[in-house]
Amino acid sequence: DGGITQSPKYLFRKEGQNVTLSCEQNLNHDAMYWYRQDPGQGLRLIYYSQIVNDFQKGDIAEGYSVSREKKESFPLTVTSAQKNPTAFYLCASGLAGDLDISGPSTDTQYFGPGTRLTVL
Amino acid sequence: DQQVKQNSPSLSVQEGRISILNCDYTNSMFDYFLWYKKYPAEGPTFLISISSIKDKNEDGRFTVFLNKSAKHLSLHIVPSQPGDSAVYFCAAIVAGTYKYIFGTGTRLKVLA
Repeated sequence: DGGITQSPKYLFRKEGQNVTLSCEQNLNHDAMYWYRQDPGQGLRLIYYSQIVNDFQKGDIAEGYSVSREKKESFPLTVTSAQKNPTAFYLCASGLAGDLDISGPSTDTQYFGPGTRLTVL
Repeated sequence: DQQVKQNSPSLSVQEGRISILNCDYTNSMFDYFLWYKKYPAEGPTFLISISSIKDKNEDGRFTVFLNKSAKHLSLHIVPSQPGDSAVYFCAAIVAGTYKYIFGTGTRLKVLA
């Protein structure tokens, strides 16, 4: 089955440690995204990648890093520089660059199940 | 600057009645809008979308209306069911770009 996976589901980290969240997709999407969800703040974009070996900062990139060495994978590292890392992290992949606004209603962004990161 | 706003953080509706969730935006360049449903500790799932060349799109119990002059869209759910209880996010994007802008979400509670 095609889809997008994130692991682990729950992650605990000691303050001062870096941690890497995994995201894999087999939907053959060029674009991949990382979002962070906090209560009452919706989804905020951390980083996104339009194509392999290329990525851009989103609205809250400070304290995070990413890599895009393969089309299928877009890991997110939460570094010790991130001051408030406890949150729910969502990865997504999508087709935004190919969006046809005259076409039928379609989803253009597919989300993984998320990883809950807790800093102890 | 919040380009996409959902001003109602929560909404309660009786089962069988209509649920109306609202979303306002400020960027007139947006030309595609999506609604997602999200349960706790899960990723959002797509519900319905609409492009700026339309003013209405319908899919089963879900209808999205777009008023471009008011920069406003709404999601109607009729009839509402207890399983619809979730957080609903609207999102917007400029076609040809890659960056989605999400609203803060509205928590819908459908009462049995």
